[in-house]
Amino acid sequence: EVQLLESGGGLVQPGGSLRLSCVASGFTFSNYAMNWVRQTPGKGLEWVSGISGGGDDTYHADFVRGRFTISRDNSKNTLYLQMNSLRAEDTAVYFCAEDLSIGLTGYFHNWGQGALVTVSS
Amino acid sequence: QSALTQPASVSGSPGQSITISCTGTNSDIGIYHYVSWYQQHPGKAPKLMIYDVTYRPSGVSNRFSGSKSDNTASLTISGLQVEDEADYYCASYRRSTTVVFGGGTKLTVL
Repeated sequence: EVQLLESGGGLVQPGGSLRLSCVASGFTFSNYAMNWVRQTPGKGLEWVSGISGGGDDTYHADFVRGRFTISRDNSKNTLYLQMNSLRAEDTAVYFCAEDLSIGLTGYFHNWGQGALVTVSS
Repeated sequence: QSALTQPASVSGSPGQSITISCTGTNSDIGIYHYVSWYQQHPGKAPKLMIYDVTYRPSGVSNRFSGSKSDNTASLTISGLQVEDEADYYCASYRRSTTVVFGGGTKLTVL
């Protein structure tokens, strides 16, 4: 059974940093691209970042480019999202999501339960 | 404002069929065949229901089907069941290697 378990969410002040982690199990982690998708009540679902199975290719949405960095450690079956220069509008539940292929397809096959990030002073 | 446009809500009775539309542009749905649909029940993570416009992942009921015409994709659910009541989101690949979502449609099964 595929399991994705996010951690690292919490309350952070504007301008601060946070790192999310997602530990995967139940599948060969390095064979699949991985993504971060966030959800807010007002904006619904937003794709944030994606990374290929080998970690060589990374992609970011325009609204986080330069502030967020996606990475992975295949030896630890773990996906990361380093979030810097956080803004109030980054407040959301962040999901990690397994892609359908080793390259980024934009199809999110399995999802974690989500980690809440709140940016507020 | 979301990148893709969906109706805020649709409703139907058990056994009926409903269709949810998803309108994009010539930068996404209009030129790519990479459209997907997700079902989300309250408090749960989304679930992939359709990918590549028409394909269903293993385990998804064949009551769910997808289609596309020009800049608009559609999700049809036939033989509505009470458990189909949920939020539905469309998504599409967009130029510059990004993925965009619709704003979501709340399906009510009366």
